[in-house]
Amino acid sequence: NAGVTQTPKFQVLKTGQSMTLQCAQDMNHNSMYWYRQDPGMGLRLIYYSASEGTTDKGEVPNGYNVSRLNKREFSLRLESAAPSQTSVYFCASSEKGSYGYTFGSGTRLTVV
Amino acid sequence: RKEVEQDPGPFNVPEGATVAFNCTYSNSASQSFFWYRQDCRKEPKLLMSVYSSGNEDGRFTAQLNRASQYISLLIRDSKLSDSATYLCVVNRANQGGKLIFGQGTELSVKP
Repeated sequence: NAGVTQTPKFQVLKTGQSMTLQCAQDMNHNSMYWYRQDPGMGLRLIYYSASEGTTDKGEVPNGYNVSRLNKREFSLRLESAAPSQTSVYFCASSEKGSYGYTFGSGTRLTVV
Repeated sequence: RKEVEQDPGPFNVPEGATVAFNCTYSNSASQSFFWYRQDCRKEPKLLMSVYSSGNEDGRFTAQLNRASQYISLLIRDSKLSDSATYLCVVNRANQGGKLIFGQGTELSVKP
């Protein structure tokens, strides 16, 4: 099925470990986004990529890095995981700016 | 103050009831408005866009009041399947397509 694919779906990390969350879309969308969702906080933008080759910080970028590998793929890296990064991470893509966001099914990350 | 604010609920209503959700946003230059639906432990999905003239999609009616910076969603004849969290979403003006999400309002429809 067409859409946004995120891997892994679940992950447990120890404090200080690193990992990369993968996201790929097959809808030929230009823009891609990484959000985190915490109870009572709603979805908060970490990083986004308006088009291939560009990335920009969102509201909560500290502790994260991103790579827009090509038009399809946008990865999120945690270099040194901290318990405060325990969250559900969603990747999304859109064709024209704010219209028609499609989300991936999320990655549930626990840092112990 | 949060950029998009919603009553978190939960709203517990019987089947067939009419329920309304409200949302306020702080940036008067915001241009696009949406309601998303999120089922438990799932990803958000677009429910409907919100237009200045108000718009309806079946049992769902969305309205926008730019002067008061207020958005609403009305659900008529609630179904059990309407149980979910409803997210009020606004685009951040002058910053392309980035969307700002409210924390969501939880709805539980009971038999």
